[in-house]
This record gives sequence, structure tokens and C-alpha cells, in this order.
Amino acid sequence: RKEVEQDPGPFNVPEGATVAFNCTYSNSASQSFFWYRQDCRKEPKLLMSVYSSGNEDGRFTAQLNRASQYISLLIRDSKLSDSATYHCVVTFYGQNFVFGPGTRLSVLP
Amino acid sequence: DAGITQSPRHKVTETGTPVTLRCHQTENHRYMYWYRQDPGHGLRLIHYSYGVKDTDKGEVSDGYSVSRSKTEDFLLTLESATSSQTSVYFCAISPGTQETQYFGPGTRLLVL
Repeated sequence: RKEVEQDPGPFNVPEGATVAFNCTYSNSASQSFFWYRQDCRKEPKLLMSVYSSGNEDGRFTAQLNRASQYISLLIRDSKLSDSATYHCVVTFYGQNFVFGPGTRLSVLP
Repeated sequence: DAGITQSPRHKVTETGTPVTLRCHQTENHRYMYWYRQDPGHGLRLIHYSYGVKDTDKGEVSDGYSVSRSKTEDFLLTLESATSSQTSVYFCAISPGTQETQYFGPGTRLLVL
């Protein structure tokens, strides 16, 4: 089983829709969690960190469920510019970042 | 944007030839990383460095070596390139292991 798993998609949604992605991780000794966004043929960029209590940044909300070992990303009022691949990233104690394979989102006009 | 550059940005080479990719940072971050990205996989760690001359292996280190003689430069070498090393290579930097990583623009390598 891979350490970090995501549904690869693609998720095709209309503008204005709300879309949610989940990510599961296998190692309960996890420490930090992030969502990275990667545009086509570009480098990944940090979208947001994920905190235990959940956190929000504008239209984006991240949640962490340690008991079930998953994190989620909710995007409200989708924009065309949200089209990208979203990578879940988990760090484990004493180890480096582990990237999920990414979920591709296409927001359609 | 973090000051990270990679060179070359694109390279085509032949099987069996040595290849060196360079990552240069202006942020004075302690940690530097080399990843590869292939379809269907997330980014996979090749090697990383936690200081000048201090490096360690990542998940997919076979066939690769690295060197860091200065804080700002991290080199990735493919001693004898193979077609399986065709990939997009990203360099990243961070101030600490559990902190945000910032990525360079990537190098697209094609091994024929």
C-alpha cells in the first residue's frame, strides 16, 4: 500500500461549483500535512498547510482527521484558474515529505 | 517567489552518457532536495542535503549521485543515463525538514 493515496481524477466541475478532494495516509506517526498545487508543466507550489483543528484560506478549507488518517481539501465557488493538480503531502517523524500522486481538477466554463 | 533556479531547463541525451543537473538557491536555506516526477506518481525523493557536504539517499536513489560543496548549489549526477531516467526533475529547498518546501522550475530530461 502506498504511503499517501489520492484519487487521480480528473474531477471536471463547472465554474462556481464546490469540489472536495480526500487523501489517505498509511503511517499513523505522521507529523505535518500540506496541500500543494501544480499547474500544467510547472513546479508545485504550497497551497496551504493543514492543521489539526482545520483551517481556511479564502475559498479553500483543509481538514485533518488523524483517527481515520485522511486529510481533505474543499474548494468553494470554483474558478477557471483553480484548474490544476492538487498534491497531498505528509511528513512522518524523522522523514522527509511524501507526496501523493495528485488529483487533477478541471474547472469548466 | 523563492530564489531557486535549475539548469539546464531541458536536455536530451543518449543512453550511457553522464548528465549533471544544477540547482542554485539565493535563500540560504539549509535543506535542498532533488525529486523526479513521472506520470502516475507523485514527486519521489532522489537525494537530499542537510548542509554543505552532508547528503543522504531518498526513495529512488539508485543510479544517481549528488554533491553540495556550497550552501547555494546542489548538483545531481546521472553517472550513466538510462531511458528509465527520462523524467522531470525538480529541486526544492526548505529551512527545516518539517517546513514548507519551495520548488525550482524543473528540468525536463529525455534519455534516448
